[in-house]
Amino acid sequence: EIVLTQSPDTLSLSPGERATLSCRASQSVHSNLAWYQQKPGQAPRLLIYDASNRATGIPARFSGSGSGTDFTLTISSLEPEDFAVYYCQQRSSWPLTFGGGTQVEIK
Amino acid sequence: EVHLVESGGGLVKPGGSLRLSCAASGFTFSDYSMNWVRQPPGKALEWVSSISSTSGYMNSADSVKGRFTVSRDNAKNSLYLQMDSLRAEDTAVYYCARLLLTTAYMDVWGKGTTVTVSS
Repeated sequence: EIVLTQSPDTLSLSPGERATLSCRASQSVHSNLAWYQQKPGQAPRLLIYDASNRATGIPARFSGSGSGTDFTLTISSLEPEDFAVYYCQQRSSWPLTFGGGTQVEIK
Repeated sequence: EVHLVESGGGLVKPGGSLRLSCAASGFTFSDYSMNWVRQPPGKALEWVSSISSTSGYMNSADSVKGRFTVSRDNAKNSLYLQMDSLRAEDTAVYYCARLLLTTAYMDVWGKGTTVTVSS
C-alpha cells in the first residue's frame, strides 16, 4: 500500500498570503496524484488531478506540481473561502489511498 | 445538474448489516465507474470500494473485503454498498463518488450518509 504523508498538519495564514502544501508518497506514484478540498460538513471537492491539471471550475490561484514521490499544492493568494482541509490521493496502485490532510486555518 | 444522493445510513449494532444506496442524476450513470469513500469522525478520507461502469470490475479495501459488497443497477441509476458484519471501526460518513473519465479520481461527490456502529 502506498502511504501518502502530508505536511504540515496545520498551516496558519492570512487572506492574501501564499499557501504551500506538501504530499510525499512512500513510493513513486508518477504523476497519478490528485488534491481535494474539504470544508466542515461538506463533501470533498476535486481541485487538481494528474498532479497539475485543474479540475473543471477550479480557480487559477490553485496549482499543483511534482512527480514521483514529492508533490505540492500551491494557493497563490488565499481567499476567505479557501480556509479548509486539503487531501492528496494517489491512483497509481490499489488500494487507492489518501493523505492525512492539511488544515489551512486563518491566522 | 449532476447529483449524487446517498441514503440508508443509521445506527446499527456490531455484527449487524446495512445497505447504502446512492441515487445518481444529471449524467449518464452507465458511462461512469463509481466509488464509495468513508470518513470516520474527525479523521481522513478512506477509499472503500470501486465498481466499473458495467460491473465487470470491482475492488475493495482489505479492511472491508469479505464484509462489504459494492453493486450497481444502471437501469435505476443507482449504486449500492451492502455492509455486513459491521464493526465499531466502520463508523463513518459514507460518500459515493463518480470517477473522472477513465481515471480513479473522484470529480462528483454526494453529501454522504452517516453510519454508526454501536451497542
